[in-house]
Amino acid sequence: AQTVTQSQPEMSVQEAETVTLSCTYDTSESNYYLFWYKQPPSRQMILVIRQEAYKQQNATENRFSVNFQKAAKSFSLKISDSQLGDTAMYFCAGGYNQGGKLIFGQGTELSVKP
Amino acid sequence: DTGVSQDPRHKITKRGQNVTFRCDPISEHNRLYWYRQTLGQGPEFLTYFQNEAQLEKSRLLSDRFSAERPKGSFSTLEIQRTEQGDSAMYLCASSYGTSMADTQYFGPGTRLTVL
Repeated sequence: AQTVTQSQPEMSVQEAETVTLSCTYDTSESNYYLFWYKQPPSRQMILVIRQEAYKQQNATENRFSVNFQKAAKSFSLKISDSQLGDTAMYFCAGGYNQGGKLIFGQGTELSVKP
Repeated sequence: DTGVSQDPRHKITKRGQNVTFRCDPISEHNRLYWYRQTLGQGPEFLTYFQNEAQLEKSRLLSDRFSAERPKGSFSTLEIQRTEQGDSAMYLCASSYGTSMADTQYFGPGTRLTVL
């Protein structure tokens, strides 16, 4: 069975600062993908960043980067230069390459304060 | 490109009634997914289709739930004899391809309230 756990229900950060959201996962499969999705208030979920578990290099997308620690099964999201528009629920998710379903964590509500 | 659309956006029903939701995926997306999200939780997988074939169903999808994608385009999710525990946001997503590397694009969801 696969599980995804986010242990930070809420976090806040000042505008322009850096924040890190934590996520751990549990699966015995190597052909696994990990994702961070963003769900702004009353808006639909969008993909922030994706990481293939077989790749050592951490994924980066502009101000968003991940710290993927395979041995620890940890997949944290770092947001640099936080902006007010980053305020949202952030969900960590994982799925097997040959499957279709995503398994989501419980979410972290991030507030960026001016 | 038009995104994933869902109809209705909100549905209020009485316990015991049947409801049906519709999802229109992004054009040419061969995979379509249904998830359920309760307040303050992450989405939970319900089922997914590749073209018209339903490839996986969650144990969450009881006999009262049925999903179809008859022509490999839009999909419907029906809940029979609704219960208060069915109150949730029902999310649809679609993707193009056959692997997890293919991005799932989510729709705005249908919020169901069962009185």
